[in-house]
Amino acid sequence: SQTIHQWPATLVQPVGSPLSLECTVEGTSNPNLYWYRQAAGRGLQLLFYSVGIGQISSEVPQNLSASRPQDRQFILSSKKLLLSDSGFYLCALGLAGEKFFGPGTRLTVL
Amino acid sequence: SQQGEEDPQALSIQEGENATMNCSYKTSINNLQWYRQNSGRGLVHLILIRSNEREKHSGRLRVTLDTSKKSSSLLITASRAADTASYFCATTHRYNNNDMRFGAGTRLTVKP
Repeated sequence: SQTIHQWPATLVQPVGSPLSLECTVEGTSNPNLYWYRQAAGRGLQLLFYSVGIGQISSEVPQNLSASRPQDRQFILSSKKLLLSDSGFYLCALGLAGEKFFGPGTRLTVL
Repeated sequence: SQQGEEDPQALSIQEGENATMNCSYKTSINNLQWYRQNSGRGLVHLILIRSNEREKHSGRLRVTLDTSKKSSSLLITASRAADTASYFCATTHRYNNNDMRFGAGTRLTVKP
């Protein structure tokens, strides 16, 4: 069965600093991968999805970017974090119409 | 923007009672899924119902889908304290499986 790894689990960063969150998956090949953000007490917002290496679709224009350097690796980045970037970031894998989520990274921007 | 809208936003019941949560959506969908999230944790997939299905069961869970009203309900029977969590519905767009939208969720508290 598929497994989704995310790290770090928690992160505290100052405003204006860069960001790199990593997601890797196991147990499947050529997966569709997704980045979601969840603000406190809210539902999930789709940020990016990728159907293959080097293929990124952006759902929300903002100061975040995503990359897929390898089939099972999906990275979320920012050059300069904003306070509003704080939240819970979840990587997900799409399989047969269902989505399976990783454990998430809680980001606090101070 | 959020696609699904759950109600109620919060629900508090006693152990053993049934919990019903509702979800409405706006666009044409391929399927609707319900997820559970314990506080500060990732999402756990509970059940998927396709647009051509009307009802589905899984253990103590019962999901209905009414595409004419663009709504779904999740029923948890004989609730337990361990069912305390937030529950989200998510719709997958009919023509784009990558477009999956979540509602704000229902916070369920089951008192022992």
